[in-house]
Amino acid sequence: AQKITQTQPGMFVQEKEAVTLDCTYDTSDQSYGLFWYKQPSSGEMIFLIYQGSYDEQNATEGRYSLNFQKARKSANLVISASQLGDSAMYFCAMREADSSYKLIFGSGTRLLVRP
Amino acid sequence: DTAVSQTPKYLVTQMGNDKSIKCEQNLGHDTMYWYKQDSKKFLKIMFSYNNKELIINETVPNRFSPKSPDKAHLNLHINSLELGDSAVYFCASSQAAGGLYEQYFGPGTRLTVT
Repeated sequence: AQKITQTQPGMFVQEKEAVTLDCTYDTSDQSYGLFWYKQPSSGEMIFLIYQGSYDEQNATEGRYSLNFQKARKSANLVISASQLGDSAMYFCAMREADSSYKLIFGSGTRLLVRP
Repeated sequence: DTAVSQTPKYLVTQMGNDKSIKCEQNLGHDTMYWYKQDSKKFLKIMFSYNNKELIINETVPNRFSPKSPDKAHLNLHINSLELGDSAVYFCASSQAAGGLYEQYFGPGTRLTVT
């Protein structure tokens, strides 16, 4: 069964520093996708970055990068040069490329950026 | 300009009432979803429609009935509301059901049942 684990309920980071948010997953499928979403205090869900299971290179989108370690089944989000606006909940999610079209979400990590 | 929109943004109602939440996407996507986020921020899929056809129904009570009049709209109707239905409901859409496309979420509807 699909499962996403985020072991850090809350984290602090100093402004301008980098931070890594952990995510591990469990699946028996060979083809799947991993996603990160940001939920600021205003409540909307913002798509950040995607990594496919067959992608050989780690995904990057601006200050976001995904540290994908397939053998360890981990897909950690790295935010470089943290900004105050990065303070939010961050959710890791997975989707298997079979008939299951749903996203399975982790429990989230609340990130607080300190000035 | 809004990609995925939901109305209303807030909904306060009493137990036993029936209410609806509307969702529209202007992205030309084929697949739409409803998710529920509980008070602990946990997000869970409820339903998914692909080209107006129901493809996911995640053991949601039958008081919840989704309706998709066309592939740009997916509405959620809830009968006989209960206290436990209080949550934030998110609509989302993706380019297609198959494949590994990202899903884009609406702003959410905060439902409070008193």
